Order: sequence, then structure tokens, then C-alpha cells
Amino acid sequence: SQQGEEDPQALSIQEGENATMNCSYKTSINNLQWYRQNSGRGLVHLILIRSNEREKHSGRLRVTLDTSKKSSSLLITASRAADTASYFCATDDSSASKIIFGSGTRLSIRP
Amino acid sequence: SQTIHQWPATLVQPVGSPLSLECTVEGTSNPNLYWYRQAAGRGLQLLFYSVGIGQISSEVPQNLSASRPQDRQFILSSKKLLLSDSGFYLCAWSGGRFNYGYTFGSGTRLTVV
Repeated sequence: SQQGEEDPQALSIQEGENATMNCSYKTSINNLQWYRQNSGRGLVHLILIRSNEREKHSGRLRVTLDTSKKSSSLLITASRAADTASYFCATDDSSASKIIFGSGTRLSIRP
Repeated sequence: SQTIHQWPATLVQPVGSPLSLECTVEGTSNPNLYWYRQAAGRGLQLLFYSVGIGQISSEVPQNLSASRPQDRQFILSSKKLLLSDSGFYLCAWSGGRFNYGYTFGSGTRLTVV
């Protein structure tokens, strides 16, 4: 089954810097989603980008989608300590009845 | 507004004991429902999903089963737990096909001893 794979697996940056995470997937999609998970908690939906969209913004988040390369990126600008979490991309399957998650990027923000 | 409830938050069970985790959704009708499992420090593995009452799709052969006895209730069960069933179990719902994000419950930390 298709699956998003995040890169890098772990990322540590200084507070105030920008954080960029990448996701690659294998087959055609209807949409791609990004989620955040704080340690030991459930996932929180951040943003959904449709296959016919190339870029989307939400506050300090910017998501791009390149369907020709089957890849997406999540940019968090002006990072804060509260952004420390794991970030997952997820892609839907052909039936759109389910989404499959990648293994995630662990983001740590240093004060 | 829609809410999702998942319980218990933590559970310690002996090997061979039964399991029942419950998830309920409020404020919506005919949701798609999902059970995921997450091993420590890993991604999410889809276990079961349901697009309607009594409709269960299984993704991974395993020691677990799922049921949807009511529109907004999703239950994860096992008759006899194995050590390998330990993990973080997450229930989620979505509004349907295409262009809908998933809303997750707070998760159940299951430890089989």
C-alpha cells in the first residue's frame, strides 16, 4: 500500500529558526495531510492539500505539493518551543476510505 | 461541534486476558471510523476501518477484531492478548471520502504483561 515517508527522521533547530520536513509517497493521491503529535497524545490535523493544489498556508505553516515528484514539504516558520512534536504526513488510498501514515519526523526546538 | 471519546487512557493487562477498547463520536452522523496502533517512536499502523454500521475492513492479520454496533461507536477487541499487542491505540473519525482531515481521540496506552 502507498505510504508517505518523512525526511528527516529527526530534526533539532534553534528557537526562531524555520523547520522544513519532507514527505515522499509512491502512488497517485487525492490529497495529502500533515499531522502533529505531542508525546503520548493523539494526533492533531494541521493541514490538508488537494492533489490539484501546489501550496497552502495556515498561520506559520506552509505546505507544498509536487505531484510530479510525488513529494510534499511542511515548513514551520519562526519556530517556538511549543512546536516540539512529531510530524506525520498521510496520503489517501485510491478508494479514499483510509489514509496511510508515514513514520514521522521528530522535531525538537532548542531554547 | 464534533467530539471523539476514547477510553481508557491507560491499561495494563496480563497475557491471555481479553481486551475491549471503546471509541464514540458525538455531533456527527455516519462517520468513517478508524483504529490505529502506534509502537513506541514509530508511525501509525492502520488496523481496522469502518464506513458504516456493521462494515469492518481489516488491514493487518492479527490477534484483534473490531466491531461497529452503532453508527458512532467503534470497539476494538481481543479474546486473548499477546505481549506483541502492547502499544498506543488511537481511534479516529473522518467526515467521509476526499478532502476531510481525521480527528483523533486521545489514545489508549496498552501494556500487556
